[in-house]
Amino acid sequence: GAVVSQHPSWVICKSGTSVKIECRSLDFQATTMFWYRQFPKQSLMLMATSNEGSKATYEQGVEKDKFLINHASLTLSTLTVTSAHPEDSSFYICSARGTNQKYGYTFGSGTRLTVV
Amino acid sequence: GENVEQHPSTLSVQEGDSAVIKCTYSDSASNYFPWYKQELGKRPQLIIDIRSNVGEKKDQRIAVTLNKTAKHFSLHITETQPEDSAVYFCAASSGNTPLVFGKGTRLSVIA
Repeated sequence: GAVVSQHPSWVICKSGTSVKIECRSLDFQATTMFWYRQFPKQSLMLMATSNEGSKATYEQGVEKDKFLINHASLTLSTLTVTSAHPEDSSFYICSARGTNQKYGYTFGSGTRLTVV
Repeated sequence: GENVEQHPSTLSVQEGDSAVIKCTYSDSASNYFPWYKQELGKRPQLIIDIRSNVGEKKDQRIAVTLNKTAKHFSLHITETQPEDSAVYFCAASSGNTPLVFGKGTRLSVIA
């Protein structure tokens, strides 16, 4: 089946530094990548949608200059949290869709980010 | 945009009893309704889904029903077991749009 590899699975960083999260589709071409954020005991909230080769579309309230999304190839999308602060600590998870997956959404394993 | 409401937020049942979780959606264009089970710190796991051309779908102890007219869909788990304890999320999309999730239901199955 479709697999999305997400790295790192967890990361601790200092305030003010940047962190890059990668999602790779291993056996299909991910034409669309959705990035979600999940705070403890809350639901998954969509941050942005990216299509390969295009600029990402951000949800209201999500700072595009802080959360940089790159989807330069059909198998790789990255989310960079720039100038991270403790309030950015969360579980970040990607979800990929490909042209051959009708209605299918494949989730990465998630990244637990802790900013200290 | 789509808005998904999910109830209850917490649910405790005795082992062997049934559990029902209900969701409503707002966008009549939505046509795909998956249910996910999420354990702490892990990715959501798809447990069952239903599309708008079907009213009910069953997979062993799990079933989902969809009422398009009323814009609501429900998850039914029968003969619950302790390992069913987790957080369950419903979601909706129109196929090409991102999944919009409900707020989740924390299910506890008491042995």
